[in-house]
Amino acid sequence: KAGVTQTPRYLIKTRGQQVTLSCSPISGHRSVSWYQQTPGQGLQFLFEYFSETQRNKGNFPGRFSGRQFSNSRSEMNVSTLELGDSALYLCASSLVSNQPQHFGDGTRLSIL
Amino acid sequence: KNEVEQSPQNLTAQEGEFITINCSYSVGISALHWLQQHPGGGIVSLFMLSSGKKKHGRLIATINIQEKHSSLHITASHPRDSAVYICAVRVEGNDMRFGAGTRLTVKP
Repeated sequence: KAGVTQTPRYLIKTRGQQVTLSCSPISGHRSVSWYQQTPGQGLQFLFEYFSETQRNKGNFPGRFSGRQFSNSRSEMNVSTLELGDSALYLCASSLVSNQPQHFGDGTRLSIL
Repeated sequence: KNEVEQSPQNLTAQEGEFITINCSYSVGISALHWLQQHPGGGIVSLFMLSSGKKKHGRLIATINIQEKHSSLHITASHPRDSAVYICAVRVEGNDMRFGAGTRLTVKP
């Protein structure tokens, strides 16, 4: 069974640009969560989707958005990139909410 | 004060030692997770607990809901256990909050 797949693995952008990251969950998993990890703030919750609906949202500005498609694949978008957005972005999936999560390897985003 | 506190921040042990990592939280939760992160970033979910105790191989996790405290124990530690261990809580009906992590180094 394939694991959680995140693309791309690495990305370099400049300030002011926008970026879209993709996450394909484990087959059958309907819950997808996104997290940001930085050396200074550690892991922080971005949002959670279940059956195409955003269930929960973390304390991030509106520049961070996401969506989930009918096949459970999810994307997150960050607009008007700032230097502080440089981070490892992790996606995790589970069968339903509040179940053990399976993490992808992450997308490492660097902002120049 | 962080809502999820872990101790210690760093831990060095000799191979074979018994290890304990602690997690205290100050919010109401529906579940607590222990995660393992190896260098390079990959995260593995070790346990999800809402009460009592769970065991998987050499790993044991316990939670005391009344005291808002959880412990992760590693018996007969091995160098391959070297990683960052992260405590995370699912806040009741809401999002996930994370501890800062415990960096464990097991020396042969």
